[in-house]
Amino acid sequence: DAEITQSPRHKITETGRQVTLACHQTWNHNNMFWYRQDLGHGLRLIHYSYGVQDTNKGEVSDGYSVSRSNTEDLPLTLESAASSQTSVYFCASSTGGNTEAFFGQGTRLTVV
Amino acid sequence: AQKVTQAQTEISVVEKEDVTLDCVYETRDTTYYLFWYKQPPSGELVFLIRRNSFDEQNEISGRYSWNFQKSTSSFNFTITASQVVDSAVYFCALSEAGANDYKLSFGAGTTVTVRA
Repeated sequence: DAEITQSPRHKITETGRQVTLACHQTWNHNNMFWYRQDLGHGLRLIHYSYGVQDTNKGEVSDGYSVSRSNTEDLPLTLESAASSQTSVYFCASSTGGNTEAFFGQGTRLTVV
Repeated sequence: AQKVTQAQTEISVVEKEDVTLDCVYETRDTTYYLFWYKQPPSGELVFLIRRNSFDEQNEISGRYSWNFQKSTSSFNFTITASQVVDSAVYFCALSEAGANDYKLSFGAGTTVTVRA
C-alpha cells in the first residue's frame, strides 16, 4: 500500500545543532508539506513543494529549509536548532487542492 | 490573518450527548475546499470529509454530519450520540485551490472529551 513515512519518530537534540527530519511518500504526489503542531496554534505551515525543484516558504519558515530533488522525498532541515523549535512535526502530501492531504505519523522533536 | 477560526478550544460531554464543532473560514476565492480532520490521542491525523465551495449540501456519515453555509462562511461538524472513541482533537482546514494554492490552512483545533 502507498504510504507516507517520517523518520525519526522522536529526536532530542541540542541547541545549535543541525537537524534533518525525513519524509518519504510512495503516493507519487506532486504536493508535499511540512507543518508544526503546537498547543493553541493548530498546525502551521513551514515549507511546501509543488514538484521537483520547487520549494516555497510557509508562515513559520524562519530557521528551516527544505529541498526537493525527487518526487518521493521532502527533508526538513533545522539549520541551527533552537528551543522554540521544540514541537511535533508533520509531513503531508496531496495530489491537488481539491483532494485531501495524507499525513505522516509525526516527529516529536525536543531541543534542549 | 487567520483564515480558519475554531472558536471552541475544548468541549466536554457525557457519552450519548450530541456535540457540534464550529468552524468559520475567510477567503476571497470563489473556488475553495474545506476539510475536517480528526487527531485521536495516538497522534495521527485522520481525514474525515472534504467539501467544495460549490456544493452546499449537508452531508451525513453515520453519526457524523456536516453543515456548510456559504452565507455565514461556516462549515460546522456535529457528532450525534457521542462515544468515548470520539475523544480527539478536531481540525477544520481550508484550501484556496482556485488560485492553484494547494496548501491547507488549519484552525487551532477543538479538543473533544467524551466521558463515559
